[in-house]
Amino acid sequence: QVQLQQSGPGLVEPSQTLSLTCAISGDSVSSTGIAWNWIRQSPSRGLEFLGRTYYRSKWYNDYALSVKNRVTINPDTSKNQFSLHLNSVTPEDTAVYYCAGGNSAFSTWGQGTLVTVSS
Amino acid sequence: EIVLMQSPGTLSLSPGERATLSCRASQSISSSSLAWYQQKIGQAPRLLIYGVSSRATGIPDRFSGSGSGTDFTLTISRLEPEDFAVYYCQHHVNPPPTWTFGQGTKVEIK
Repeated sequence: QVQLQQSGPGLVEPSQTLSLTCAISGDSVSSTGIAWNWIRQSPSRGLEFLGRTYYRSKWYNDYALSVKNRVTINPDTSKNQFSLHLNSVTPEDTAVYYCAGGNSAFSTWGQGTLVTVSS
Repeated sequence: EIVLMQSPGTLSLSPGERATLSCRASQSISSSSLAWYQQKIGQAPRLLIYGVSSRATGIPDRFSGSGSGTDFTLTISRLEPEDFAVYYCQHHVNPPPTWTFGQGTKVEIK
């Protein structure tokens, strides 16, 4: 059974970088059968896919156009986890952030992290 | 960009009743890419249905999905107390790789 455990700060100052980590148990970040994703949820934007990382003989990333210039998702094979970095944040980036495993649909989710962007 | 519109916004029903939730796409979409999720307050979404009609692991058979083209339906045959929640449809298309969610339907106790 795959489980995802998120960690990271719940408060980020405007213009700074939001960084979250998702630790995987029961599967490998290097698995060739699944992608590892970040999704956020806010009252104003609903559920919003941010990006993903996956391994298919080499590493790939896909990012949503809405955040493409500000987002980086990295795998960490030594710790079997993956991370989200979103820079130049504004109050509009305030949301619950989820990591999730899946390809076309998302079958496994982390517990969610409320991140507030405020000074 | 494909937009998913869910209706109704809120569905007020009693336990034991049948729930029918709609998800309409702004243009025809591939049936293999339509999924449904359940979300309870304070929890992450839970995958119920993928590929329009395939139940995810551990999902009871009172949940069923159907549809094609632009119109898709999630049916809960007999509502159990634990089924009162918000439900989202989701679509995936590639290329370019894009995931889109509907705005949700809340199923509340009447």
